[in-house]
Amino acid sequence: NAGVMQNPRHLVRRRGQEARLRCSPMKGHSHVYWYRQLPEEGLKFMVYLQKENIIDESGMPKERFSAEFPKEGPSILRIQQVVRGDSAAYFCASSPQRYEQYFGPGTRLTVT
Amino acid sequence: SQQGEEDPQALSIQEGENATMNCSYKTSINNLQWYRQNSGRGLVHLILIRSNEREKHSGRLRVTLDTSKKSSSLLITASRAADTASYFCGQETSGSRLTFGEGTQLTVNP
Repeated sequence: NAGVMQNPRHLVRRRGQEARLRCSPMKGHSHVYWYRQLPEEGLKFMVYLQKENIIDESGMPKERFSAEFPKEGPSILRIQQVVRGDSAAYFCASSPQRYEQYFGPGTRLTVT
Repeated sequence: SQQGEEDPQALSIQEGENATMNCSYKTSINNLQWYRQNSGRGLVHLILIRSNEREKHSGRLRVTLDTSKKSSSLLITASRAADTASYFCGQETSGSRLTFGEGTQLTVNP
């Protein structure tokens, strides 16, 4: 049973470009969460999605960030017009609700 | 202080010793989950303890929860060098999101 998969593992973008981060949840999990971790800090919640629905996006910056979890395919976290402050590790977790959240290996985004 | 703080920020012990890390939170929780993170890696789930539970064990790990004090502790017994990592507690409140603190950096010296 494969765990949560994220790709790419490392992503380098220049300022102003777009970053697309993908997350495939564990088999049977329909709940996906995105978190961001800045260096030397804990994880900060960004968004919680179920298939085709955004349940809670209170942790998402109002501009440039969007997330989706389509009926088919992985969940996508999209960052438009990236800036240096977006450099961070982005983690995806999946769960059946009210149970453990299992985290993927993360995508490390570097904005140059 | 923010929701979810681990204490201490850093802990250095010798192999074989026990390590205790604490986590405090502010609002009521559904459950609390402890994770380990090795440098540059993802989070590995260790133990989930529900709000109506007081103690759980898994191998060398023991987690306690005191809802009256809004605190939890993680005890690692007979520590090994491989236990060196950052440890985070995540509190699940309403809406299923997890709120994390800054973590405790544990170093186990051989």
